[in-house]
Amino acid sequence: AQTVTQSQPEMSVQEAETVTLSCTYDTSESDYYLFWYKQPPSRQMILVIRQEAYKQQNATENRFSVNFQKAAKSFSLKISDSQLGDAAMYFCAYSGNNDMRFGAGTRLTVKP
Amino acid sequence: GAGVSQSPSNKVTEKGKDVELRCDPISGHTALYWYRQRLGQGLEFLIYFQGNSAPDKSGLPSDRFSAERTGESVSTLTIQRTQQEDSAVYLCASSLWTGAGNTIYFGEGSWLTVV
Repeated sequence: AQTVTQSQPEMSVQEAETVTLSCTYDTSESDYYLFWYKQPPSRQMILVIRQEAYKQQNATENRFSVNFQKAAKSFSLKISDSQLGDAAMYFCAYSGNNDMRFGAGTRLTVKP
Repeated sequence: GAGVSQSPSNKVTEKGKDVELRCDPISGHTALYWYRQRLGQGLEFLIYFQGNSAPDKSGLPSDRFSAERTGESVSTLTIQRTQQEDSAVYLCASSLWTGAGNTIYFGEGSWLTVV
């Protein structure tokens, strides 16, 4: 079964600075997708960014970008110019041929 | 509707009672998922439905948990003889299809408290 590991239970960043959240995964599949979801205190899960495994170019969405290292099975999320509204739980997720599996999450705190 | 809708938003029940949680997926989405999220923890996969195929029940933690879905519409997650460890947020999500590449969209969850 595919597993997703987020080794940082908590992270903190100063407003306007950059932070990187780590994620690694384990799979034997060759075709898959990776996602980062954000869960603010409202509990609503929000898609932040997604990456197709067969694309070498790292996905970018405004201040959010990923560093996808397929051989290392690593998929980190970089948040630039952090804002107070970025404070939330962030979940890394893997989507293969069956369901979608999530990591345990990283709680991000943004300090003003 | 525009998004995934779940009800009730919050439910407090006594230990030993049965509860039903409802999920209305996004119209046209053939795939539907249920996850459990205990306080401060990650998402635990429970079950998913894909069209008329047999559901993947591999994540259900015990036989007290069951779920049904009528066609490609509403799903109900039932927990029988609730226990305190069942207290959690139950998240429902839907997507156009299962498999690599699908983006799943979540509801706001049903917060279950068993007292």
